[in-house]
Amino acid sequence: EIVMTQSPDTLSVSPGERATLSCRASQSISTNLAWYQQKPGQAPRLLIYGASTRATGVPARFSGSGSGTEFTLTISSLQSEDFAVYYCQQYNNFFGQGTKVEIK
Amino acid sequence: QVQLVQSGAEVKKPGASVKVSCKTSGYSFTTYVLHWVRQAPGQRLEWMGWINTGNGNTKYSQKLRGRATITRDTSANTTYMELISLASEDTAVYYCARGPSGFDYWGQGTLVTVSS
Repeated sequence: EIVMTQSPDTLSVSPGERATLSCRASQSISTNLAWYQQKPGQAPRLLIYGASTRATGVPARFSGSGSGTEFTLTISSLQSEDFAVYYCQQYNNFFGQGTKVEIK
Repeated sequence: QVQLVQSGAEVKKPGASVKVSCKTSGYSFTTYVLHWVRQAPGQRLEWMGWINTGNGNTKYSQKLRGRATITRDTSANTTYMELISLASEDTAVYYCARGPSGFDYWGQGTLVTVSS
């Protein structure tokens, strides 16, 4: 079983600043990785698939990178609507524990 | 437009079973895998399993193997998730989601509460 570990658990960022979220797989998953955003009371929203491809309608300030075991989600300039919990996921399988991005 | 619409909230007693439905529309049902994911209060997303809507093949997480069954009705464009031997730890919001390369569409979620 591949374990997905995200860091940090909580990230405090001011609006307009850059946020960098990390995700590590316990063994190589190539680029079979997705990132999701979840707001309270809502279903998750797909942001990135294939480790670096933005899903339809996702703003360009969201970018993903990495392959193998190390992955990064970057939000270049945080907007008010970006404060949420972010999850990484190995395709068709397990999720990380999430990173909460909160207002500093 | 693509839609996944789930059945309503359920309250069950420990030891009972629950069956949640997910009706899809707006695309060819048998073209995409459908997954089930759950989220206990304040917890991470937990992948439960998936069904190949074309041939009916399924795969489950090891944790739930034996308790969860995912089925589909191609005539109704609907998938079902049944969970047996419910315990308080199964209290969660249950989601269906469309795969395979990332889950691009999700149902609205179904709250299942297990309480005596």
